[in-house]
Amino acid sequence: QQQVKQSPQSLIVQKGGISIINCAYENTAFDYFPWYQQFPGKGPALLIAIRPDVSEKKEGRFTISFNKSAKQFSLHIMDSQPGDSATYFCAASKNQGAQKLVFGQGTRLTINP
Amino acid sequence: EPEVTQTPSHQVTQMGQEVILRCVPISNHLYFYWYRQILGQKVEFLVSFYNNEISEKSEIFDDQFSVERPDGSNFTLKIRSTKLEDSAMYFCASVGEYEQYFGPGTRLTVT
Repeated sequence: QQQVKQSPQSLIVQKGGISIINCAYENTAFDYFPWYQQFPGKGPALLIAIRPDVSEKKEGRFTISFNKSAKQFSLHIMDSQPGDSATYFCAASKNQGAQKLVFGQGTRLTINP
Repeated sequence: EPEVTQTPSHQVTQMGQEVILRCVPISNHLYFYWYRQILGQKVEFLVSFYNNEISEKSEIFDDQFSVERPDGSNFTLKIRSTKLEDSAMYFCASVGEYEQYFGPGTRLTVT
């Protein structure tokens, strides 16, 4: 029940295309859903986060879509750029982020120029 | 912009030795975490720390592990007798209003 399942494991997108990464969770007590971006040898960096009271959040080229009934959320990267090439992790937490993060398996995203 | 810092960036140790990993969280944060990431795998929770005590720990965080906040700024993770399987990246994180901010990590290599 604590798991967060993420797909795909790897994704290749052409420059300018839309990258979509999906996550699903089981525990309905989760109420905070962040996405982290990680470059090789670096720590995860918070990209964007959403709470279940909204169905979508957009920050620049990054959008989270959230489906509470399906217990799924996804990250969309519009106009994908080579600099977006990184590993992306979804995560979930209870108590609005004040508790431990449960991470998905990660998606290695490659943007081809 | 304030950030979480960690030292050392890379630690090589022999099996059975003790290691201490250090973190300086963001100054006004109150919740602190250690996570680890085995190469190529997901980030896993180890322990959370609030008000100078452990608030939650995972199955990974056995008797070989301990955490301390020895002064007002540092937050340490000690592994008493390292095993080969402890080789991983160890990340410290601290919590602002909602968001967890991660440090750059310490790569621990146990030989």
